[in-house]
Amino acid sequence: QITLKESGPTLVKPTQTLTLTCTFSGFSLSTSGVGVGWIRQPPGKALEWLALIYWDDDKRYSPSLKSRLTITKDTSKNQVVLTMTNMDPVDTATYYCAHLLYCSSANCHQYFDYWGQGTLVTVSS
Amino acid sequence: SSELTQDPAVSVALGQTVRITCQGDSLRSYYANWYQQKPGQAPVLVIYNKNNRPSGIPDRFSGSSSGNTASLTITGAQAVDEADYYCNSRDSSANMVFGGGTKLTVL
Repeated sequence: QITLKESGPTLVKPTQTLTLTCTFSGFSLSTSGVGVGWIRQPPGKALEWLALIYWDDDKRYSPSLKSRLTITKDTSKNQVVLTMTNMDPVDTATYYCAHLLYCSSANCHQYFDYWGQGTLVTVSS
Repeated sequence: SSELTQDPAVSVALGQTVRITCQGDSLRSYYANWYQQKPGQAPVLVIYNKNNRPSGIPDRFSGSSSGNTASLTITGAQAVDEADYYCNSRDSSANMVFGGGTKLTVL
């Protein structure tokens, strides 16, 4: 079965760079039609999509955060890494990674079908 | 950038039917997906591609769409359905977007 787990620091200081790793099993990111995305959720607030990487290494970023984000994959390690620069207290949130099934036809558009448990990142000096 | 708009809160009497809506221009071209999130838990996919249920999701959950509006309907709401519900879709740039979420209260 598909599982994903986020890892990284729980506390970062303002202006620092956050590096999060999503380690997954049950699928390969070299398989056509597969992707991994990052989504965050500030305490008590809504989900916010951050970034997405596809099996063919195509990448997409939230327009509002694009300048601060980088997403990469290591297929051999079954990992996806997200970096976010210049962290600020407003970036305090639970960060999730999720498996995406890509399809593009008249009857199918992409969706996140499996999610990790999330990791809470606090930004504070 | 694309946006999806949801009502912040909806309530339903136990056993009754409730509809949660999501509006956005991207929904004219792309299907909505729906996620259920309970406190302290990760989101769970309940509807994908407008009206498909993943394995294990009760058939009281259904989806529909018309124009720029997608809907999640729970027919015969149960106490366990009390949760936050988020819609999601892609846009023309292949970016993903989430709605602001709807808190469902089952009375």
